[in-house]
Amino acid sequence: DIQMTQSPSSVSASVGDRVTVTCRASQGISSWLAWYQQKPGKAPNLLIYAASTLQSGVPSRFSGSGSGTDFTLTISSLQPEDFATYYCQQTNSFSVTFGQGTKVEIK
Amino acid sequence: QLQLQESGPGLVKPSETLSLTCTVSGGSISTSSYYWGWIRQSPGKGLEWIGNIYYSGGTYYNPSLKSRVTMSVDTSKNQFSLKLSSVAAADTAVYFCARLSQLLHYGFDIWGQGTVVTVSS
Repeated sequence: DIQMTQSPSSVSASVGDRVTVTCRASQGISSWLAWYQQKPGKAPNLLIYAASTLQSGVPSRFSGSGSGTDFTLTISSLQPEDFATYYCQQTNSFSVTFGQGTKVEIK
Repeated sequence: QLQLQESGPGLVKPSETLSLTCTVSGGSISTSSYYWGWIRQSPGKGLEWIGNIYYSGGTYYNPSLKSRVTMSVDTSKNQFSLKLSSVAAADTAVYFCARLSQLLHYGFDIWGQGTVVTVSS
């Protein structure tokens, strides 16, 4: 099975800060990677797919990069509504794995 | 606008079988570009993929749950279902159904609101 490791597990940041979350796959997954945002009591929301393609309706301050085993989610200027937990997800050979999540908290 | 809605018992006894249904509205489940999945989230924990099903019935399960999971699809009712056997307290979670899109490089683009299932006697 492919394991996904996110870092950090949590980050404290202020409005306007640039925030970066990293996701590492235990083996190469090309660009089969998605990022989600989840707020308490809600279902996850797809932000980015194919490692770097912004889902329709997602603000441009979100961006993704990487391929192979190392991936990054960047929020260029953190907004109040961005405080949430972020998950990466890989799909390889029809098996899906999520990272353990990164909580973005208010500093 | 496509919507997904989970339904089923909120309380299941240990060793019994958990059964949930996801009803798809606003679109057809029988669309070639999509799979339909179940994901769960234990209290205070992360997301765990359970499995995916295609409208023709093909299934893919999480290896760690495969021995206990059965997924099925009813295209006439626009529904797909999950059965998880021999449940224990560790299966207590919010269960989400979601659409997995081939068009979006296999991202889950539409989710149900989730349903809480508690395993307790």
